[in-house]
Amino acid sequence: DIVLTQAPLSVSVTPGESASISCRSSKSLLSSKGITSLYWYLQRPGKSPQLLIYQMSNLASGVPDRFSSSGSETDFTLKISKVETEDVGVYYCGHRLEYPNTFGAGTKLELK
Amino acid sequence: QVQLTESGPGLVHPSETLSLTCTVSGFSLTGYSVYWVRQPSGKGLEWMGRMRYNGDTSYNSALKSRLSISRDTSKNQVFLKMNSLQTDDTGTYYCTSYSSYPLFDYWGQGVMVTVSS
Repeated sequence: DIVLTQAPLSVSVTPGESASISCRSSKSLLSSKGITSLYWYLQRPGKSPQLLIYQMSNLASGVPDRFSSSGSETDFTLKISKVETEDVGVYYCGHRLEYPNTFGAGTKLELK
Repeated sequence: QVQLTESGPGLVHPSETLSLTCTVSGFSLTGYSVYWVRQPSGKGLEWMGRMRYNGDTSYNSALKSRLSISRDTSKNQVFLKMNSLQTDDTGTYYCTSYSSYPLFDYWGQGVMVTVSS
């Protein structure tokens, strides 16, 4: 199974500042179709996960452009600029390259 | 609009079988796959398995010996059955449906399952 390693496990950010979360894959997530199968989710407290980023760098519908993602075949970074109160929660990276799909352990973002 | 709703018992005794139902609306089970993902209390997400739109199933190898996923397309329902439950199976169970082409990503609200005697 593909292992996704996130860092840090928690981050504390002053509102208005930026935050970055890393996700490293044990295997290339580049598919045979040339798509990088890396996804980012936010799970707000008490809620279900919601999709933020699909195929490594594409914003899901309704997600503010304060969120961005980039990377290579195995190393990825989610950046949140100008962090707001609504960004609090746990961020997960996940892949859909093969079964089982797997997720990182999560990064908890809280406000200072 | 698209909705997925999980239902099932909140309490299961150790060694017993868990049965959950995911009822979907707003899309067809013959057009989109449905997945089960669980979250042990206070922990991260674990992909359990899927019911593909064509009826095929895939399972997480760590759970495969205990897990079965089926469906009733006439009722728009997908079922999860997992046997030999233990306390570390306690957590929230989600059904979700996602696709990249076209982009489609929806989650149920989750159902909390406690395994306890």
